[in-house]
Amino acid sequence: DIVMTQSPDSLAVSLGERATINCKSSQSVLYSSDNNNYLSWYQQKPGQPPKLLIYWASTRESGVPDRFSGSGSGTDFTLSISSLQAEDVAVYYCQQYYSTPPTFGQGTKVEIK
Amino acid sequence: EVQLVESGGGLVQPGGSLRLSCAASGFTFSSYWMQWVRQGPGKGLVWVSRINGDGTSTGYADSVKGRFTISKDNAKNTVYLQANSLRAEDTAVYFCARTKAAALHAFDIWGQGTMVTVSS
Repeated sequence: DIVMTQSPDSLAVSLGERATINCKSSQSVLYSSDNNNYLSWYQQKPGQPPKLLIYWASTRESGVPDRFSGSGSGTDFTLSISSLQAEDVAVYYCQQYYSTPPTFGQGTKVEIK
Repeated sequence: EVQLVESGGGLVQPGGSLRLSCAASGFTFSSYWMQWVRQGPGKGLVWVSRINGDGTSTGYADSVKGRFTISKDNAKNTVYLQANSLRAEDTAVYFCARTKAAALHAFDIWGQGTMVTVSS
């Protein structure tokens, strides 16, 4: 199984400041035949299901604010929130869907400083 | 509106069984792979099982293989998870989710989840 490791486990950021979450996979999730990274990011607020933010490592899902962006390739990926808003307080998960089983990172809790 | 609604969770004794259901609406159900993902109390997300559009191909996490069975009724727009021989470690919120486009893709629509508690 591909192991997904996120860092940090939690972070506190001031309103309006940038939040950065890292995700590392134990093997590459870049599929050479289509040059896509099979990596997604989800946001989960308390008592709610996860919400898809980013897929193909950097493609924003429809309706997701453009302050959310994803980057990286191969084994190292980043989710950035350019200007943290109060409604962004949540746990964020990366996920690889390159191989079965699809696996998630352990989650990163984002709070307001 | 695209929607998934789970049901069937509850309290069950170790060794017992439950059948979880996930009713879909607002999209062409037969065209999509569907997934079950669970989340233990205070824990992260763990993939459980998946099924293809016409219900002919399935996959399971090692932790549930041989105990859980996924199925899909496209006439009823519903995906099921039959959970047998339940253990305490199966206690979790179970979410169903739609796979965005192809077999290997992100999960773009999620239900609210149904809680399964395995305890004597």
